[in-house]
Amino acid sequence: NAGVTQTPKFRVLKTGQSMTLLCAQDMNHEYMYWYRQDPGMGLRLIHYSVGEGTTAKGEVPDGYNVSRLKKQNFLLGLESAAPSQTSVYFCASSQLNPEGQYFGPGTRLTVT
Amino acid sequence: KQEVTQIPAALSVPEGENLVLNCSFTDSAIYNLQWFRQDPGKGLTSLLLIQSSQREQTSGRLNASLDKSSGRSTLYIAASQPGDSATYLCAVSPGNEKLTFGTGTRLTIIP
Repeated sequence: NAGVTQTPKFRVLKTGQSMTLLCAQDMNHEYMYWYRQDPGMGLRLIHYSVGEGTTAKGEVPDGYNVSRLKKQNFLLGLESAAPSQTSVYFCASSQLNPEGQYFGPGTRLTVT
Repeated sequence: KQEVTQIPAALSVPEGENLVLNCSFTDSAIYNLQWFRQDPGKGLTSLLLIQSSQREQTSGRLNASLDKSSGRSTLYIAASQPGDSATYLCAVSPGNEKLTFGTGTRLTIIP
């Protein structure tokens, strides 16, 4: 099992550009999450999904959109990137909520 | 609003020592508490999960305790090794999707 994988690992965007981060899990988990990690702030939940076709807002959802068209994939989109979205983004999944979340390796995004 | 605090932010100890990491939270109405390890540039690895009805969990040299009434958890690491160097994060959940994380303790084990 690969566990939770994230694509890409690194990305640099200019302000106003758009991009999509892909998260994939091969554990047949129902729940998937997107977090961002910033220095001194801890991890904060952006959006999450409780199953295929469902999404919900977390603590810091503004500026992001998500989709869960397939159970194994959870996409995070930035429609118009801003420097404040410079961060490390982590995807996680779990079978039961909120137990045993498994994290991906992260995507380091810089917006200039 | 739940707040999770981890003090100290950084800790250095000689190899072989036993050590304790602290986590405190403001709202005692939690479903569970988890301890994670994060290596530089890597994702989080779950170490221990304590349900609200439990007092402690053990895994190898790690022991985590939970005192809901006082809003505290500790992670005890026995016989520390250089490979234990990492950032340790605790997170609490009220029973829904919203894990609240502390900012972590960066641990350095000195050979």
